[in-house]
Amino acid sequence: GENVEQHPSTLSVQEGDSAVIKCTYSDSASNYFPWYKQELGKRPQLIIDIRSNVGEKKDQRIAVTLNKTAKHFSLHITETQPEDSAVYFCAASSDFGNEKLTFGTGTRLTIIP
Amino acid sequence: KAGVTQTPRYLIKTRGQQVTLSCSPISGHRSVSWYQQTPGQGLQFLFEYFSETQRNKGNFPGRFSGRQFSNSRSEMNVSTLELGDSALYLCASSPPADEQFFGPGTRLTVL
Repeated sequence: GENVEQHPSTLSVQEGDSAVIKCTYSDSASNYFPWYKQELGKRPQLIIDIRSNVGEKKDQRIAVTLNKTAKHFSLHITETQPEDSAVYFCAASSDFGNEKLTFGTGTRLTIIP
Repeated sequence: KAGVTQTPRYLIKTRGQQVTLSCSPISGHRSVSWYQQTPGQGLQFLFEYFSETQRNKGNFPGRFSGRQFSNSRSEMNVSTLELGDSALYLCASSPPADEQFFGPGTRLTVL
């Protein structure tokens, strides 16, 4: 089955700096890669996703890049703000579109004011 | 549109008991997936239902089961509870081949 590795497990950055979280996946058939943000005590919420026919996608301060050859994808957050502090999960899916997600182990991002 | 709802939000059980958790998807969503979240194992896929049929299954023992009703509401059942079953159980609903929307979860504690 699919295996997703995520690094780093914790990340602290100064407010205003950029943060990068990286994930690798094992199943070359994976075609959908979402990123979820989970604040303490809350549900995971999708912040951005990318499909395998696209190399990069941006949404304001957030961007995701995908390298299918190397089987890795990354989340980039620019101009970080205190409200970006949360746990971020990457995921991959290859079954029937997107319904079965294999998650990475999560990155706890702390923004230092 | 109302979001995904889960009941109950908190549950305390003892070893050996069984438990049933409920999930109501967003109106119009026919796919419901269940995940287990623990500090040690992270988010792990349990199973997914679509139109009352289990379409995908994760690597969990047979003590974990689920079903989906004609109105797309889903339940999951865990029998013969073990201490290691203590976790946050999340369900997510989605339209076909689109993003998954998570519910708030049910926090299960097994004593």
